[in-house]
Amino acid sequence: DAGVTQSPTHLIKTRGQQVTLRCSPISGHKSVSWYQQVLGQGPQFIFQYYEKEERGRGNFPDRFSARQFPNYSSELNVNALLLGDSALYLCASSLPGQGNYGYTFGSGTRLTVV
Amino acid sequence: GNSVTQMEGPVTLSEEAFLTINCTYTATGYPSLFWYVQYPGEGLQLLLKATKADDKGSNKGFEATYRKETTSFHLEKGSVQVSDSAVYFCASTNDYKLSFGAGTTVTVRA
Repeated sequence: DAGVTQSPTHLIKTRGQQVTLRCSPISGHKSVSWYQQVLGQGPQFIFQYYEKEERGRGNFPDRFSARQFPNYSSELNVNALLLGDSALYLCASSLPGQGNYGYTFGSGTRLTVV
Repeated sequence: GNSVTQMEGPVTLSEEAFLTINCTYTATGYPSLFWYVQYPGEGLQLLLKATKADDKGSNKGFEATYRKETTSFHLEKGSVQVSDSAVYFCASTNDYKLSFGAGTTVTVRA
């Protein structure tokens, strides 16, 4: 079975632009979470979606938004990019109600804002 | 909310040395606890977990015990290898959100 897949793996954007990152969870996993990992730090929670509904949101500005599709894949959108948005963006999935048993992470999308 | 504090690195060891990385947590309720590992240029891999007090998680020679009385979940390995060089993250969760420590970089020299 395929793991959590994310695309693209790398991208470079200019300040002020908008970006869309994509994530496909493990088959059967209905919950998708997004994390931001700035270089040298631990990942920070951005969103969790379950059954297309937002279950939780971290301390991120409204420039960050996400959605989940009927096939449980997800997109993370970031508008008006800032230099500080440069980071590794990680997607994680889990079975419903199984978050306490661990999440499976993708390899991430490395975003560089110049 | 939940938070995790882990030992700062970097940690440099010789092969076959004993490794321990300290981790303490604060939480409301009874979180599950995890250790994740991140190899250079990759995402996070779940190394081990414990879901309740006194549980011991173990995998690939690594162990950690959920200690409610000391709110700790220290990671240990008795004999490290060069291939264990990575960044290790302690994390806690209550249902939907993982809270991570800052990470500890471990380098094992041959």
